[in-house]
Amino acid sequence: ETGVTQTPRHLVMGMTNKKSLKCEQHLGHNAMYWYKQSAKKPLELMFVYNFKEQTENNSVPSRFSPECPNSSHLFLHLHTLQPEDSALYLCASSQLSTGSSPLHFGNGTRLTVT
Amino acid sequence: QQQVKQSPQSLIVQKGGISIINCAYENTAFDYFPWYQQFPGKGPALLIAIRPDVSEKKEGRFTISFNKSAKQFSLHIMDSQPGDSATYFCAASGQAGTALIFGKGTTLSVSS
Repeated sequence: ETGVTQTPRHLVMGMTNKKSLKCEQHLGHNAMYWYKQSAKKPLELMFVYNFKEQTENNSVPSRFSPECPNSSHLFLHLHTLQPEDSALYLCASSQLSTGSSPLHFGNGTRLTVT
Repeated sequence: QQQVKQSPQSLIVQKGGISIINCAYENTAFDYFPWYQQFPGKGPALLIAIRPDVSEKKEGRFTISFNKSAKQFSLHIMDSQPGDSATYFCAASGQAGTALIFGKGTTLSVSS
């Protein structure tokens, strides 16, 4: 099993649908992240969970709702999305300690909003 | 002040050549500078990282050069191979627990 697993790999949804992205990490890390990757733009940090507590929310629209039930699982609930939300959504984890810790990314969910 | 500016956007290098990607930052509180490599259909993976107490770090064919006074750092890929064709992202962060700020990425193509 790879370190960070994301499902589904691909998702097509209409603007009125509700769907969820799932992420699971098997690395024993204490922090998890959602990033959005769009063409020709930097990876955009969306949410950070540190020991299951949300510590950062970078002005993400409320149509994106994260959930972190434990330190190994992270969800991103989607509802009433817009076409411009189509992107690759990446989950990552890291072990926060006294120094900066590398991020371990999953392979992402390719989301298309029609 | 939170931006990391990366150039070039795309790069084509012949097999055996040297690939050079540059990044610049403004926030002097940044103290961790990693490079990530991403292949199509995969998430980014850590390639190499440096802290500002050294000016250069080398791992195999990959070298980071760091210029603290100029607030710039670069990735050099020696003897570039077709398997190195990927998108490369530089990033920076400050104190432990702060999130990485990424550059826009450089798409490298190594022709055989």
